[in-house]
Amino acid sequence: DAMVIQNPRYQVTQFGKPVTLSCSQTLNHNVMYWYQQKSSQAPKLLFHYYDKDFNNEADTPDNFQSRRPNTSFCFLDIRSPGLGDAAMYLCATSSGLFETQYFGPGTRLLVL
Amino acid sequence: GQQLNQNPQSMFIQEGEDVSMNCTSSSIFNTWLWYKQDPGEGPVLLIALYKAGELTSNGRLTAQFGITRKDSFLNISASIPSDVGIYFCAGPSFEGTASKLTFGTGTRLQVTL
Repeated sequence: DAMVIQNPRYQVTQFGKPVTLSCSQTLNHNVMYWYQQKSSQAPKLLFHYYDKDFNNEADTPDNFQSRRPNTSFCFLDIRSPGLGDAAMYLCATSSGLFETQYFGPGTRLLVL
Repeated sequence: GQQLNQNPQSMFIQEGEDVSMNCTSSSIFNTWLWYKQDPGEGPVLLIALYKAGELTSNGRLTAQFGITRKDSFLNISASIPSDVGIYFCAGPSFEGTASKLTFGTGTRLQVTL
């Protein structure tokens, strides 16, 4: 089945220690998104890629970076995680304009 | 910016009851999406609505796209325990090369036996 996969599902890191979260998709979608979701809140868009074009949201902290080496994979790098970065991180894909977004299962990040 | 308000914020119902929730916007949307999120999982698309006045069903779920294009409704009939979760409405806006979703505030559903 075509799907969006996120690894790991749970990630524990130390304060200030860089961490990378992974997303892959078998949908061959052009667009990949990263969201941050804190407890009981709606997902908040961090950035998205349309093919290799990177689009950052204005309020996304510089601490968050992303890489998309090919169509299938997209990575979220948190350079120096703070306690406030503990959250669920969701990856989503869409085939482009006017198309619905499909979400992965998420990675829950804990910062100690 | 655009805001989507969902009501109610939370619901406690008994198994077998019907559920109604709504989503209202300060601005017009041309598409409405309803997602369900189970605890510890990503949102799963339930229903997509593309036309004002549209009524669409998916099993026990029925959603409607409001005539004004500023609201949408989701109904669940004969609720079961696995309906527990958070239901989000979402409206896409199209900026540049991608759709950007505005999410509602969510309705948390609890089902008791």
